[in-house]
Amino acid sequence: EAGVAQSPRYKIIEKRQSVAFWCNPISGHATLYWYQQILGQGPKLLIQFQNNGVVDDSQLPKDRFSAERLKGVDSTLKIQPAKLEDSAVYLCASSLVQGQIQSYEQYFGPGTRLTVT
Amino acid sequence: RKEVEQDPGPFNVPEGATVAFNCTYSNSASQSFFWYRQDCRKEPKLLMSVYSSGNEDGRFTAQLNRASQYISLLIRDSKLSDSATYLCVVKSYGGSQGNLIFGKGTKLSVKP
Repeated sequence: EAGVAQSPRYKIIEKRQSVAFWCNPISGHATLYWYQQILGQGPKLLIQFQNNGVVDDSQLPKDRFSAERLKGVDSTLKIQPAKLEDSAVYLCASSLVQGQIQSYEQYFGPGTRLTVT
Repeated sequence: RKEVEQDPGPFNVPEGATVAFNCTYSNSASQSFFWYRQDCRKEPKLLMSVYSSGNEDGRFTAQLNRASQYISLLIRDSKLSDSATYLCVVKSYGGSQGNLIFGKGTKLSVKP
C-alpha cells in the first residue's frame, strides 16, 4: 500500500517569500492533517480536513498560512510571506474514517523540511 | 503547564538494558493515549496504544495511570535498532473530532 506522499522534500527560501507544500494521502483516507515540527519539539497540528471540509484550524496562523483540499484528496499548504520562525518540518498525515469512527492511527508522510533565511 | 510533558532525555543505554520513559498530561478529560516512534529525520510512526489495564507488545510495555495523569513506556532488552525519539501522544477531545497532542519526545540512544 502506498504511503502518504509529500513534495518537495526540502525547500530553502528567503524571508518574505512564498512557499507551497503538496500532500497526497493514503487512498481512501478521508481525514488529512498538516503538522509543523520545529527542531526539538513534537509535531503541532496546524489544520485538519475531513474530505474537503476544515474540521479544525484553530492553530493555523491565518495571517500567513493557508491550506486547501479542494477535491477531498490532495492538499496544499501555503505560507505567504514566510518568516524565519517558520523554519521547520511540515508533516502531512492521514487517517481512516470507518462509518462514524475516526481511526486513532495517523500515517505520516516524510515531511518537507523548510529553511527560511 | 504544557499539555503533554516528557522526560527531557537523552537516554544513553547499553544494549540489553531496560529503560523507562515517563509522560504526564494536563487534560484530565483525555481519553486515548499512544506512543509514537520517530527515527532521526523520519516521520513519526505509531508504536503502540496505551490502555488503562496496561499492555505489552514484545519487549515494550505501556502503562496508564489516569488518577496521576501519567503514562509510561518500558523497553526491555534494548536493541541498537531501538535508538529513536519516543513521542508521548494524547488524543484531546476538544472542539473537533479529537486531535493528537504530541510531547516533545525523549531521545533514546542504545550503544553496543
